[in-house]
Amino acid sequence: QVQVQESGPGLVKPSQTLSLTCTVSGGSISSGGYYWSWIRQHPGKGLEWIGYIYDSEDIYDSDNTYYNPSLRSRVTISIDRSKNQFSLKLASVTAADTAVYSCARGGSGTYWGWFDPWGQGTQVTVSS
Amino acid sequence: EIVLTQSPRTLSLSPGDRATLSCRASQSLSSNFLAWYQRRPGLPPRLLIYGISSRATGIPDRFSGSGSGTDFTLTIRRLEPEDFAVYYCQQYGDSPPEVTFGGGTNIEIK
Repeated sequence: QVQVQESGPGLVKPSQTLSLTCTVSGGSISSGGYYWSWIRQHPGKGLEWIGYIYDSEDIYDSDNTYYNPSLRSRVTISIDRSKNQFSLKLASVTAADTAVYSCARGGSGTYWGWFDPWGQGTQVTVSS
Repeated sequence: EIVLTQSPRTLSLSPGDRATLSCRASQSLSSNFLAWYQRRPGLPPRLLIYGISSRATGIPDRFSGSGSGTDFTLTIRRLEPEDFAVYYCQQYGDSPPEVTFGGGTNIEIK
C-alpha cells in the first residue's frame, strides 16, 4: 500500500525559498504513470492545489509538470527517482505562504485529479 | 476557475442519522471529475467518492455520491461515530489543468 510523507523546515524567512520533500513508500514513484501533487491549506481556509509532476520515461518530455497559474512564477516541482521522492520549491515566500503543505498521489492519465493517498501534512510558517 | 460552494458549513447530527451534504459548482462540470474527501482530526484527507458516484477502495456502502451539472450530493446513510469529520468536494479539469476544492462541511455530534 502506497504511502506518502512530507518533510522539511517548519519555519522559513520572508523572501527565502520554501523547500519540502515527499517520500513515497510501498511503491515506486516511477511506475504506474501516476501524477504526484502538492496541495496546501492556509489557516482557517480552504485547500489550494499547487501543482503536479509525473515521471516521464521520455527524456525529451519537458511537459511533465503543471503549476497553479497563481503560483506558477514561484513554484518548481521535481522528482528524484533514486530516492523515490518528489519535491516542492516555492521561491520568494511571504506570510501569505504560511500553510499546511501536503503531498498526494493522483491517478494515472486522465484520472490524475483523484488524490489518494495524502500525506499527513506539514506546517510551514513564514516569519522572520 | 470553477468555484465549489459547499452547504451547510456545519451539520449537527446524531449517530444513526442520515447526512446530506451539498456541493454546487459555479459552472457545469463537463466531465464527471468530481470527488469527495473526508478529513478527521489529526489524519490526512481520505478519498471517499470519485467520478461523482464511485466509492474508493475500502469505503463503506453507507457513503454515496450523486449529482450532475452544477449540483452534487454526498449522502451518508447512517452516521457512525467515526463519520463525524469535515468533508470536502473537489473537481478537476484538463484543459488547462486545474483543481479546486469546496470550503468543507463539518459534521458534528448534536
